[in-house]
Amino acid sequence: GAVVSQHPSRVICKSGTSVKIECRSLDFQATTMFWYRQFPKQSLMLMATSNEGSKATYEQGVEKDKFLINHASLTLSTLTVTSAHPEDSSFYICSAMTGGINSPLHFGNGTRLTVT
Amino acid sequence: KQEVTQIPAALSVPEGENLVLNCSFTDSAIYNLQWFRQDPGKGLTSLLLIQSSQREQTSGRLNASLDKSSGRSTLYIAASQPGDSATYLCAVLGGNMLTFGGGTRLMVKP
Repeated sequence: GAVVSQHPSRVICKSGTSVKIECRSLDFQATTMFWYRQFPKQSLMLMATSNEGSKATYEQGVEKDKFLINHASLTLSTLTVTSAHPEDSSFYICSAMTGGINSPLHFGNGTRLTVT
Repeated sequence: KQEVTQIPAALSVPEGENLVLNCSFTDSAIYNLQWFRQDPGKGLTSLLLIQSSQREQTSGRLNASLDKSSGRSTLYIAASQPGDSATYLCAVLGGNMLTFGGGTRLMVKP
């Protein structure tokens, strides 16, 4: 089946530094990838939609200059949390579509970010 | 703006019981609806995907139905097992936006 690999699974960084999270589709080409954030005991919140070769579309309230998304190829999208603050500590998950809009979404295993 | 609601928020049942999880959405203009399972601290596992033109999908002990006109979907779990304990999320895709419900935390007791 379709596999989405997300790396790293866990990262601890100091306040003010930047962290990059990678999301790779291992056995398929993903024209569209989604990035989500989940705070404890809350549902997933869509942050942005990433289309290969174009700028990401951010949800209202998500700072595009803080959460940089790059989808340079059909198998890789990256999320960079710039100048991280403790309130950015969260669980970040990516997902990718295997085909057209009616295809299933496949999710990475998530990245637990802790900013100290 | 699409809103997705899941009821109940939490459910505890004895092993072997059949159960139903509910998902409702406000905008019926959707492409599909998907049910996921999330184990604590882990990513999502896709369970079932129902296209907007379909009424139900089945996989093993799971059956999901979709009534687009009334904005409702149900996930039926037959003969529940302790291993089914997890959070179940439904999500609707419409206009390239995926909207999640708040989830139902299921606990199946041995």
